[in-house]
Amino acid sequence: KAGVTQTPRYLIKTRGQQVTLSCSPISGHRSVSWYQQTPGQGLQFLFEYFSETQRNKGNFPGRFSGRQFSNSRSEMNVSTLELGDSALYLCASSLDAGQGYEQYFGPGTRLTVT
Amino acid sequence: QQQVKQSPQSLIVQKGGISIINCAYENTAFDYFPWYQQFPGKGPALLIAIRPDVSEKKEGRFTISFNKSAKQFSLHIMDSQPGDSATYFCAARYTGKLIFGQGTTLQVKP
Repeated sequence: KAGVTQTPRYLIKTRGQQVTLSCSPISGHRSVSWYQQTPGQGLQFLFEYFSETQRNKGNFPGRFSGRQFSNSRSEMNVSTLELGDSALYLCASSLDAGQGYEQYFGPGTRLTVT
Repeated sequence: QQQVKQSPQSLIVQKGGISIINCAYENTAFDYFPWYQQFPGKGPALLIAIRPDVSEKKEGRFTISFNKSAKQFSLHIMDSQPGDSATYFCAARYTGKLIFGQGTTLQVKP
């Protein structure tokens, strides 16, 4: 069974631009979560989607948004990029939402903002 | 308090030795405690996980010990190998989201 895939793997953007990252969960998985990983802050939860609805949201500004499609694929968008948004963005999928389901991570998208 | 505190920050172990990484938490509402292993350039990979009603779980060379009263849990890697050299993250789940520790960089020397 194929794992979680994320595209693109690497991205370089300029301050003020916006970016869209894509995540395809493991086949059959319906829940997708997004995390930001930086050397200083570690791994931080962004949001979780299930059945095209946002179930959970972390403490990030409104510039960070996401959505999920009917096939469970998810995208996250960051508008008005700042230098501090440079990070590895990780997507994780699980079979279902809520308690009792393991999350499996993709390889991440490395975003560099210049 | 939703923090998970992980120690040590880095660890050097000889091949064949035991690697021990500790985590502590405050929130008793956490319901699931996984450990992830991350190699450079890769996403975290689920290693082993435990629920708070279990005190120990073993999978191969990896064991989680869980102390509910002390709000602590730890990862033991027996017979550590150079291929185990990676960054390890503990995590705790709250309302469906994972709260991660800061990570431990493990180096296993041949």
